[in-house]
Amino acid sequence: GAVVSQHPSRVICKSGTSVKIECRSLDFQATTMFWYRQFPKQSLMLMATSNEGSKATYEQGVEKDKFLINHASLTLSTLTVTSAHPEDSSFYICSARPGQGDSPLHFGNGTRLTVT
Amino acid sequence: QKEVEQNSGPLSVPEGAIASLNCTYSDRGSQSFFWYRQYSGKSPELIMFIYSNGDKEDGRFTAQLNKASQYVSLLIRDSQPSDSATYLCAVNEAGSGNTPLVFGKGTRLSVIA
Repeated sequence: GAVVSQHPSRVICKSGTSVKIECRSLDFQATTMFWYRQFPKQSLMLMATSNEGSKATYEQGVEKDKFLINHASLTLSTLTVTSAHPEDSSFYICSARPGQGDSPLHFGNGTRLTVT
Repeated sequence: QKEVEQNSGPLSVPEGAIASLNCTYSDRGSQSFFWYRQYSGKSPELIMFIYSNGDKEDGRFTAQLNKASQYVSLLIRDSQPSDSATYLCAVNEAGSGNTPLVFGKGTRLSVIA
């Protein structure tokens, strides 16, 4: 149980274009999902908390107008990287938990974004 | 600012030995603690979680928690080459509700055959 599916696993796009990443909880409902970003040899850094039916909460330094999050249902959150630039190239990973706040987070397989 | 500290390694151990991975955290109010394994280019996968002081064993893995010292560790017995990965320590933010995890930078483990 507790499967989180993320798509696409890898995307290459040109600078200035937008990319949408989908994150689905397959066997549980997730009112909250978390989006992390990981640069090479770095730790996972929380970008934003996605809340079903309301606005996402962004971490300090993360541009909300650049990283658009939509959590339209209890099983789907999307992250859109708008006007992507090479410095946005990173590994984006979504996560969610089926239980209470102190239970483990389960991660999607991640999306490797390369902006050329 | 909440921080989770880990030695980046690499930690090299021979096959069959015990690997010991350590982690300290800054938020004294943290209540739940997790160890994830991350292979290169992959997303993290949960290894163990621990909530109470003491030891928790699951197969070859033992998690140890000392809240007074703000210290968490992971022991891997009979280490195998397939255990070679980066091990991430994660701590849940203190407080109620569905909160994110704060991750350390990870310790890279290399098990030498």
